[in-house]
Amino acid sequence: GAGVSQSPRYKVAKRGQDVALRCDPISGHVSLFWYQQALGQGPEFLTYFQNEAQLDKSGLPSDRFFAERPEGSVSTLKIQRTQQEDSAVYLCASSLGGRTSGSEQFFGPGTRLTVL
Amino acid sequence: AQSVTQLDSHVSVSEGTPVLLRCNYSSSYSPSLFWYVQHPNKGLQLLLKYTSAATLVKGINGFEAEFKKSETSFHLTKPSAHMSDAAEYFCVVSGALTGGGNKLTFGTGTQLKVEL
Repeated sequence: GAGVSQSPRYKVAKRGQDVALRCDPISGHVSLFWYQQALGQGPEFLTYFQNEAQLDKSGLPSDRFFAERPEGSVSTLKIQRTQQEDSAVYLCASSLGGRTSGSEQFFGPGTRLTVL
Repeated sequence: AQSVTQLDSHVSVSEGTPVLLRCNYSSSYSPSLFWYVQHPNKGLQLLLKYTSAATLVKGINGFEAEFKKSETSFHLTKPSAHMSDAAEYFCVVSGALTGGGNKLTFGTGTQLKVEL
C-alpha cells in the first residue's frame, strides 16, 4: 500500500522483556517520527529522523528507549526491560520534507503494546 | 514552547445539527495548526491545517476551522453532523525541531458522539 505501515499491530510483553516495533514510512519521505499515545491521551512526541540521522530524541522517556533508521527508510523503536508504564499505542509518522513547519505528517495505524 | 488546550473532552450532538469543537493555542510565534481525527482502530487522519494563509480553513468531510489570533483560538466546526463523524478529534500545534523538522504537540482530544 501507499501509506505508513507498522508491525506488529499488537504486542503483549511480560515485564522485563525487550520489544522491537517496526515502521515502514511512505516511500521517498525524508522525515520519520515516533509518538507515544497513552490511553485516553493525545500522542506525545518521542523522536525524529531526517533520513538516517536521528536529529531529536528529546521525547524518549528513558534510556530504555532506543530508535534507529539505519538506511533512511524503515525504522525500529526498541524498548528494553519493558515496564507496565510503557503500555501505550506507539505511532509512527512520515513526511515528505523537514524544512517546512507545515509539512503534513502521515500516520500509521500504530502498535498497541501491553506490558503485563 | 507551544501548546494547545481542547476545552471539551466529550461533545454529543444529534445527527444533522452543527458541530463545534473548541481549541485554544499558546505559541510564541505564528503557529501552524492542525486538526486530526482518529477513528477506532484506524490511524490519525488530517482534517485540515492552517499555515498563515487564509484564516478560514476548509478541510475534508465538510469540516472547517477559523484561526483567530486575538482569541488564540482554532475551533473546528461542521454545519451538519453525520453518524460517521463520531470519533476522537485532536487539535495540534506544530513547532520547529533541530534540523528543520516539525514536532506536533497534540491536545488531549475531544470525543465526538453523534446521536440519531
